[in-house]
Amino acid sequence: DAGVTQSPTHLIKTRGQQVTLRCSPKSGHDTVSWYQQALGQGPQFIFQYYEEEERQRGNFPDRFSGHQFPNYSSELNVNALLLGDSALYLCASSLPSGGSSYNEQFFGPGTRLTVL
Amino acid sequence: SQELEQSPQSLIVQEGKNLTINCTSSKTLYGLYWYKQKYGEGLIFLMMLQKGGEEKSHEKITAKLDEKKQQSSLHITASQPSHAGIYLCGADRETSYDKVIFGPGTSLSVIP
Repeated sequence: DAGVTQSPTHLIKTRGQQVTLRCSPKSGHDTVSWYQQALGQGPQFIFQYYEEEERQRGNFPDRFSGHQFPNYSSELNVNALLLGDSALYLCASSLPSGGSSYNEQFFGPGTRLTVL
Repeated sequence: SQELEQSPQSLIVQEGKNLTINCTSSKTLYGLYWYKQKYGEGLIFLMMLQKGGEEKSHEKITAKLDEKKQQSSLHITASQPSHAGIYLCGADRETSYDKVIFGPGTSLSVIP
């Protein structure tokens, strides 16, 4: 089992550019969540995808968008990059929750995005 | 202020010493999770606590959730260099569809 994989590992962009990050969930998982982790801080929830739709969203601007494909893999897109978008972007996958119990989230290694 | 607070912010201990990391929530916790993160890497799930008063152990790491479900502690016995990293507590809200709210993390260094 490959676990959660993310690509690319590292990425350098300049302000104003657009970026796409990719995530493949753990085998058997159909829910994907994205988190942003700035240096020295805990991860902040961006959004979650389930059945190819955004199910929940954190406090992030519309510049952050995503997509989930039929094979459950997901993309995170960020437009008009700002210096403050520099962070480690983490993807987590899990089984669907019934709302009454927690399903452990498995995290990928992350993509380190640097905006210059 | 953050919904989850962790203390201390950072910790340096001698190998073999015991240590405790605390996580305090401003709201009642539905579930409390502890993760470990090596610097710049993904998160490794350690354990999850749901019931007030619950205590779980894995190898030399023990976590407890207090009766009121608003505070948790992570205790490491006889620390080793392999324990070094960032320890993050995360909270689950009952209707959050597994969205985890994380604390700021505690950085642990273990000196051989």
